[in-house]
Amino acid sequence: SAVISQKPSRDICQRGTSLTIQCQVDSQVTMMFWYRQQPGQSLTLIATANQGSEATYESGFVIDKFPISRPNLTFSTLTVSNMSPEDSSIYLCSVERDRDNEQFFGPGTRLTVL
Amino acid sequence: GEDVEQSLFLSVREGDSSVINCTYTDSSSTYLYWYKQEPGAGLQLLTYIFSNMDMKQDQRLTVLLNKKDKHLSLRIADTQTGDSAIYFCAESTHRLWNSGNTPLVFGKGTRLSVIA
Repeated sequence: SAVISQKPSRDICQRGTSLTIQCQVDSQVTMMFWYRQQPGQSLTLIATANQGSEATYESGFVIDKFPISRPNLTFSTLTVSNMSPEDSSIYLCSVERDRDNEQFFGPGTRLTVL
Repeated sequence: GEDVEQSLFLSVREGDSSVINCTYTDSSSTYLYWYKQEPGAGLQLLTYIFSNMDMKQDQRLTVLLNKKDKHLSLRIADTQTGDSAIYFCAESTHRLWNSGNTPLVFGKGTRLSVIA
């Protein structure tokens, strides 16, 4: 399986601030995804981040609120901007390994906004 | 859009078999996945099945797919207390115009409780 790490693993932030979450993969992958899991809920896709192109956002998510970088094939960041308590969630990075159809998830970043 | 449905709770006794069910709406779904999420942890890929298969077995896990009814199930034999977790069903579709698959669409998850 792909080994995915995320930093930070958790954080408590103040309203109005921003947090950047990092995702590192142990192998080169074309497709990376960012998901959100609100408390007690399923996972919702925020955006798809392919290296060399702009991230593609799902309905209800915008670049100004969730800017994403994808500088190379092993790394991506998601920023949660101007946070409010409604942004309290687990944010998960996911990759699709290029040589098969398995999609793996990072351990998640648990964000609490006060 | 695509929709994936699961029952929310399942309780079984240790040693019994667990069967977690899932239905989906997208007839073009290519791959169907089962993920396990333990408390406070990320998602662990348990298994997946290609849509042209009816069954896949991997140790204690058996996946059955009824493509006509768009119904997927995960059977866990000899369920143990360590199997207590939330199990997510998910689907994706292979893109013909590009490499890779569409992002996963998840169900809400089934919380499996195993009683000792």
